[in-house]
Amino acid sequence: AQKVTQTQTSISVMEKTTVTMDCVYETQDSSYFLFWYKQTASGEIVFLIRQDSYKKENATVGHYSLNFQKPKSSIGLIITATQIEDSAVYFCAMRDMGYKLTFGTGTSLLVDP
Amino acid sequence: DPKIIQKPKYLVAVTGSEKILICEQYLGHNAMYWYRQSAKKPLEFMFSYSYQKLMDNQTASSRFQPQSSKKNHLDLQITALKPDDSATYFCASSQDGTGNNQAPLFGEGTRLSVL
Repeated sequence: AQKVTQTQTSISVMEKTTVTMDCVYETQDSSYFLFWYKQTASGEIVFLIRQDSYKKENATVGHYSLNFQKPKSSIGLIITATQIEDSAVYFCAMRDMGYKLTFGTGTSLLVDP
Repeated sequence: DPKIIQKPKYLVAVTGSEKILICEQYLGHNAMYWYRQSAKKPLEFMFSYSYQKLMDNQTASSRFQPQSSKKNHLDLQITALKPDDSATYFCASSQDGTGNNQAPLFGEGTRLSVL
């Protein structure tokens, strides 16, 4: 069975700094996809970035990047030059070759001015 | 404009009643999903449909019944409502559901409160 674990419940950082959020996963499948989403204060869930398990290069989109360490089953999210509007809850998720997306419990990020 | 429309945004129901949550997407996607988010649990997968066929059902209770009348619609009927059903229900869609790296995109959710 798939499992996604986010151990950091909340993080607080100063604006314009870099933050890293941790995520580890468990799967029996050799091929899978990893995603990060954020949920804003209004409840909206927004897709941020994706990593395919067969790709060695870390994905980067805008000021989001991933630290994919396959031997450790780890997919960390790095946000550089954080902004106030990055304050949200960040969810890590995984899907194997099926349909189900399994989510972690989320990390709440607060960016202070 | 939102591309995945969920109606209503808020819903209050009494225990034992039945409600239908509406979802339609205008992204041209072939796969649609329902997820639930409650205070006690993380986002929880419920159902997936692909080309209007049920592909995966992870909901233990038959009180939850998805209904797909059109390719871009996936409604959720909930019968015999219980207070524990109180949650936000999110509809999502993607180009295809399996063996595909496309990220499901989410609607704004329907917040259901059962009294």
